[in-house]
Amino acid sequence: NAGVTQTPKFRILKIGQSMTLQCTQDMNHNYMYWYRQDPGMGLKLIYYSVGAGITDKGEVPNGYNVSRSTTEDFPLRLELAAPSQTSVYFCASSWNRALGRNEQFFGPGTRLTVL
Amino acid sequence: DAKTTQPTSMDCAEGRAANLPCNHSTISGNEYVYWYRQIHSQGPQYIIHGLKNNETNEMASLIITEDRKSSTLILPHATLRDTAVYYCIVSNNNAGNMLTFGGGTRLMVKP
Repeated sequence: NAGVTQTPKFRILKIGQSMTLQCTQDMNHNYMYWYRQDPGMGLKLIYYSVGAGITDKGEVPNGYNVSRSTTEDFPLRLELAAPSQTSVYFCASSWNRALGRNEQFFGPGTRLTVL
Repeated sequence: DAKTTQPTSMDCAEGRAANLPCNHSTISGNEYVYWYRQIHSQGPQYIIHGLKNNETNEMASLIITEDRKSSTLILPHATLRDTAVYYCIVSNNNAGNMLTFGGGTRLMVKP
């Protein structure tokens, strides 16, 4: 299994440009997540999804959109890039067991710079 | 989710046990204690989790106090590769299994 894969690894955007960060998992997990991590800080949840067709906002959703048309894919869309969105973006996925271990598996991250 | 408090940084000598504390005094009865670590700029990695009892796996041990208000992650024989930021997180298994990351503890393992 490849686990959670993210593309691209790095990207530089100009203010006002748009882009989509791709995330794919091959573990058949129902739950998927997008986080951002600013330098020296912990991760903050942007959006999450509990299954195909279902998404919900996390702590910092402004400026982002998501969709979940399949179990495997959970793309994150930036419509009008701003310097405040310069960050490292991590995608993650997990099972949804009612009891026991529900660890999240993280991708390698996308480093985004907005100039 | 309950919040956690961890020391900002700790040092540990290579080969010695690393004991990382975490306070979670507002934890509720259905919340688990999870530990993750983040090496350099990689994605976080699951280490261990527990509800009430102490837990051990191939990576670490987790000691949870009887009142569940605090816990300690133990790396029995720390190596240089254990240098990382360690996050203690409390989470229930409902509502999307969401994790709330604090600042974590930056563990430096020194030769």
